[in-house]
Amino acid sequence: SQQGEEDPQALSIQEGENATMNCSYKTSINNLQWYRQNSGRGLVHLILIRSNEREKHSGRLRVTLDTSKKSSSLLITASRAADTASYFCATSFGGYQKVTFGIGTKLQVIP
Amino acid sequence: EAGVAQSPRYKIIEKRQSVAFWCNPISGHATLYWYQQILGQGPKLLIQFQNNGVVDDSQLPKDRFSAERLKGVDSTLKIQPAKLEDSAVYLCASSTLLADQETQYFGPGTRLLVL
Repeated sequence: SQQGEEDPQALSIQEGENATMNCSYKTSINNLQWYRQNSGRGLVHLILIRSNEREKHSGRLRVTLDTSKKSSSLLITASRAADTASYFCATSFGGYQKVTFGIGTKLQVIP
Repeated sequence: EAGVAQSPRYKIIEKRQSVAFWCNPISGHATLYWYQQILGQGPKLLIQFQNNGVVDDSQLPKDRFSAERLKGVDSTLKIQPAKLEDSAVYLCASSTLLADQETQYFGPGTRLLVL
């Protein structure tokens, strides 16, 4: 079974609004990553947060990590139509950096 | 820097036939991954190589799937014989072993349809 579970599974917002996606996982991790996948295309890495970090920013992205609750959130501020995609969290654990993906959140940004 | 290359991009076969996918990772990346992504789901790790060796193949259906990574560079994933439920996108990714650089770089994927 997959380690991470994103919530919500689908999200529809207006352009300019903020989008928040959550990810929960089950075991201790080395780091947690967020990826974006546009329709029918490969995955693109967005941001990585380590287990000893609590918050990280990259442009319009803000990621938080709460290891006590085994959860993470991805905030996209001032969304654009181009942000329409599926977003996946991926947890890395173990000595060989095994990575397990969640089921994804499908985000639609309406122009 | 060239990205991860995969071929073919699309493949249609009939059930019980065999098929092979090829992946060329980013130069210098020691770790190579093959994922299966069924429509509407997240990628599922099939096999992870570190250089030539397999470090995780726990989710690889070994009765029909096989993979190899000769010389620690290119890799092939084979399905023989294919089943209808193997219809999916097969993604290859690579990463370095360097600390602070665990990011995986993904290829465009091979979309497989089994009829």
